[in-house]
Amino acid sequence: QKEVEQNSGPLSVPEGAIASLNCTYSDRGSQSFFWYRQYSGKSPELIMSIYSNGDKEDGRFTAQLNKASQYVSLLIRDSQPSDSATYLCAVRRTSYDKVIFGPGTSLSVIP
Amino acid sequence: SQTIHQWPATLVQPVGSPLSLECTVEGTSNPNLYWYRQAAGRGLQLLFYSVGIGQISSEVPQNLSASRPQDRQFILSSKKLLLSDSGFYLCAWANPAWGEKLFFGSGTQLSVL
Repeated sequence: QKEVEQNSGPLSVPEGAIASLNCTYSDRGSQSFFWYRQYSGKSPELIMSIYSNGDKEDGRFTAQLNKASQYVSLLIRDSQPSDSATYLCAVRRTSYDKVIFGPGTSLSVIP
Repeated sequence: SQTIHQWPATLVQPVGSPLSLECTVEGTSNPNLYWYRQAAGRGLQLLFYSVGIGQISSEVPQNLSASRPQDRQFILSSKKLLLSDSGFYLCAWANPAWGEKLFFGSGTQLSVL
């Protein structure tokens, strides 16, 4: 079982719709969770971080964490063509551990 | 403010040649430093992780090595490149007090021919 798993996509949504990106992780003791966005040929940039169960909102982005189900998601409201990118889920197990990435989900927002 | 410099941006090397990629961070002290590799269309594979000078954790057995000669300098090396070493190499830093949020360099696209 891979440590961090994501659907590879591509996920296509129409402009203005909600895009839902999902991620599962294998280590139940994981403590820190991140979503990064990566445009083609560019380096990843941090969108959201979440550390406790529940929802965390930042503008059009909402991260959701459910540690019991070992599941973290990212919702993008009012999707824009500029949101078209690959979204990487990342997990850190403990405060002294490294960050592990999932394979990423490609999102395409259709005008 | 903090910045991370990574060079070169692109590199074409023959099989069997050596490699040296350098990454430096400015504006912070005692960062955690990372080297990742990304194959075309794939996720980020962690190669090396460092929490301090001379402290390197190797995640994947291979012909690559890393060194941290100074607090904010991280170097990725190889004595003899393989075709399979081609990829997009990314250096990143994190402030341990900020919850290990990673900030990436601009990356090096390495093609081994």
